[in-house]
Amino acid sequence: SQQGEEDPQALSIQEGENATMNCSYKTSINNLQWYRQNSGRGLVHLILIRSNEREKHSGRLRVTLDTSKKSSSLLITASRAADTASYFCATDARGSEKLVFGKGMKLTVNP
Amino acid sequence: DVKVTQSSRYLVKRTGEKVFLECVQDMDHENMFWYRQDPGLGLRLIYFSYDVKMKEKGDIPEGYSVSREKKERFSLILESASTNQTSMYLCASSTLRTRLFFGPGTRLTVL
Repeated sequence: SQQGEEDPQALSIQEGENATMNCSYKTSINNLQWYRQNSGRGLVHLILIRSNEREKHSGRLRVTLDTSKKSSSLLITASRAADTASYFCATDARGSEKLVFGKGMKLTVNP
Repeated sequence: DVKVTQSSRYLVKRTGEKVFLECVQDMDHENMFWYRQDPGLGLRLIYFSYDVKMKEKGDIPEGYSVSREKKERFSLILESASTNQTSMYLCASSTLRTRLFFGPGTRLTVL
């Protein structure tokens, strides 16, 4: 069963613009993570936010978490062509070691 | 540098063959995971293991089995490969409730 769902499924922007991706999930979680995948490769971890945190920053990335709405957003500021990739959110439900991924969303940053 | 390696990047097998996908991690992680990734479906968890000789079914275990005889190695077995098991297989490892480290993936084609 898919826990997280990313929105939009695809986003195309110009270099220098900001990109915002949203993730909704269904059950109470321990933490929420975002990953990036370049075409045909394994996933790379971007950022983890715990259920008791509301916002977290890492370089050009900003993640927010709203546990009351069961949603998270990932903001990439000043996007670059190299940010072109698929992005996934993943959650682990309380009491479980399983990490369940959403279907992913494809970001294209045009130079 | 931490590493998760998978035995093959590309694999072509015939229907009915027994297929072994090997995954090795060098980080002394307790948890190891096998996912398959298909277009439009995202990553789906097949099996995971939280300790040597321990395994838990994920969301789509049918047609697969796993083996974890040593902490660093987690094998995925397709007892009798079928065409609907053609997919990208991703192995990952983690320590308790933290980020996953992914291998590069194995693209399996079953003819």
